[in-house]
Amino acid sequence: SAVISQKPSRDICQRGTSLTIQCQVDSQVTMMFWYRQQPGQSLTLIATANQGSEATYESGFVIDKFPISRPNLTFSTLTVSNMSPEDSSIYLCSGLTGALEAFFGQGTRLTVV
Amino acid sequence: KQEVTQIPAALSVPEGENLVLNCSFTDSAIYNLQWFRQDPGKGLTSLLLIQSSQREQTSGRLNASLDKSSGRSTLYIAASQPGDSATYLCAVIPGYEKLTFGTGTRLTIIP
Repeated sequence: SAVISQKPSRDICQRGTSLTIQCQVDSQVTMMFWYRQQPGQSLTLIATANQGSEATYESGFVIDKFPISRPNLTFSTLTVSNMSPEDSSIYLCSGLTGALEAFFGQGTRLTVV
Repeated sequence: KQEVTQIPAALSVPEGENLVLNCSFTDSAIYNLQWFRQDPGKGLTSLLLIQSSQREQTSGRLNASLDKSSGRSTLYIAASQPGDSATYLCAVIPGYEKLTFGTGTRLTIIP
């Protein structure tokens, strides 16, 4: 199993600013993902974080808005840039182990005012 | 394209009852299937992982089954408790690629 520490757990930000969310895994994971979850909705995949290279973004998400880094097998960051109230959501990171088991961070509840 | 459906979308049962949550998927070419629970505003907590070669997994009051050929999985919760109230999600893991999540079942246990 793997334990993922995600921070911050919540934040209230002014529009036009940026927030960086960090995820640290206690063991190596093969893949890492970033999701967004709107209230009452299921998870929407933002991107797959690739170690040492550019993330792979899903349709509707772009690097300029959601830059992602993954410098090694246990750490990744997601930045939400130039925020607007529409970015208010829960952001989740996830890791997929070599045994094909998924684990999630505790989530970051972002409110943009 | 894999599609994962969970029925019912919401369920309310009195405390102490046994219940079954359902998960259906359209493409049987999966490696694993995983069940999660999510409390409001929180991340996902892994409950059970079923490998494609397995038919079921048990943990405490939880039992999950998998029938790949029919594209179905069930999560059985015995002797339900108010603390079981949460949203339950199943996820299909096709391999070293992105997961496909079900639509979720919001469970309420009535004391």
